Amino acid sequence: AQTVTQSQPEMSVQEAETVTLSCTYDTSESDYYLFWYKQPPSRQMILVIRQEAYKQQNATENRFSVNFQKAAKSFSLKISDSQLGDAAMYFCAYRRSTDKLIFGTGTRLQVFP
Amino acid sequence: NAGVTQTPKFRILKIGQSMTLQCAQDMNHNYMYWYRQDPGMGLKLIYYSVGAGITDKGEVPNGYNVSRSTTEDFPLRLELAAPSQTSVYFCASTREIAYEQYFGPGTRLTVT
Repeated sequence: AQTVTQSQPEMSVQEAETVTLSCTYDTSESDYYLFWYKQPPSRQMILVIRQEAYKQQNATENRFSVNFQKAAKSFSLKISDSQLGDAAMYFCAYRRSTDKLIFGTGTRLQVFP
Repeated sequence: NAGVTQTPKFRILKIGQSMTLQCAQDMNHNYMYWYRQDPGMGLKLIYYSVGAGITDKGEVPNGYNVSRSTTEDFPLRLELAAPSQTSVYFCASTREIAYEQYFGPGTRLTVT
């Protein structure tokens, strides 16, 4: 069975600094998708970034980028120039091409001014 | 475009009561999902649907039922509420399996 592990229950970062959130996953599949979702206190789930496993290039969305290491089954999220509005729970998620999303347990990110 | 809407936002149930959580989307998405999120945890899939008339179980389906009579609506039914069903429930939809899922705002349910 596929699993997603986020080993950092909490992280903190100073405003304007960079932070990296870790995620590892277990799968025997070669074709799948990986996602990072942000959940602010409002509880809304917001997609931050997605990565297709067949793409070697790491996905980037403005201040958010990933380090996708397929052989190591690692999918970390880097947030550059952190802002107070980045404070939230961040969930890593995995999906096979024909299957459902599997979520990790989340990392709570605090941003200090 | 309202996106994915859920009602109610909050609900308190007594043990043994029944209720239906409503979910609707106006994006013409075929795929719809119900998740629950327990405190300090990620989301777990309860049920999902790949189109009108087609539903299937997720990881934690016990105690729940769903139906999908239209593309737009995907209600979740709790028949005999139990304290273990206290959670936040999210509905989501997506156009195609490879694309992102759009989430509703969630329903916070407490069973006492």
